[in-house]
Amino acid sequence: EAGVAQSPRYKIIEKRQSVAFWCNPISGHATLYWYQQILGQGPKLLIQFQNNGVVDDSQLPKDRFSAERLKGVDSTLKIQPAKLEDSAVYLCASSISGASYNEQFFGPGTRLTVL
Amino acid sequence: GENVEQHPSTLSVQEGDSAVIKCTYSDSASNYFPWYKQELGKRPQLIIDIRSNVGEKKDQRIAVTLNKTAKHFSLHITETQPEDSAVYFCAENTGGFKTIFGAGTRLFVKA
Repeated sequence: EAGVAQSPRYKIIEKRQSVAFWCNPISGHATLYWYQQILGQGPKLLIQFQNNGVVDDSQLPKDRFSAERLKGVDSTLKIQPAKLEDSAVYLCASSISGASYNEQFFGPGTRLTVL
Repeated sequence: GENVEQHPSTLSVQEGDSAVIKCTYSDSASNYFPWYKQELGKRPQLIIDIRSNVGEKKDQRIAVTLNKTAKHFSLHITETQPEDSAVYFCAENTGGFKTIFGAGTRLFVKA
């Protein structure tokens, strides 16, 4: 089966610019997650969707970050405007459902560099 | 608050030796504890997990133990091989669907 797809794989922008990332989860997976992984740290959950509804976005900096999953399948994460500290790998993951013991499958990530 | 502490941050072992990584959590409602392996430049991948109603689980050379009373869980890798070199993350699921990751342990296995 195909895995989680993400694009682009790499992005370099200047601070105050905007950027968008795209994720297509594994077919049939109801739950989609966006994580931010800063170099040398563990992934930090930004937002979690169950189908097209938001389950948790408590750690999403809502003044600059936004995410949507309009049709309950693929998702986009946007940063506007970007700051230097947003430099990180943005990982998308999906699972069959949001139940705690369901394995999360990660995509390859998008490495963002903000100059 | 939600927090997972992971130790050590770096671990170097000789090939064939065992490696142990320990994590401590704070939320008593946590009921699921996965471990992920992330090789350099690659995505995290689940290697083993344990639910709160189990004290130990094994899968070939890897095992995880859970002490709910002390709120800590550990990953044990026996007969380490160079291909085990990677960053290992523990995580807890708080039962409210949210997964909290530890900071990671960089394991080096020297041939």
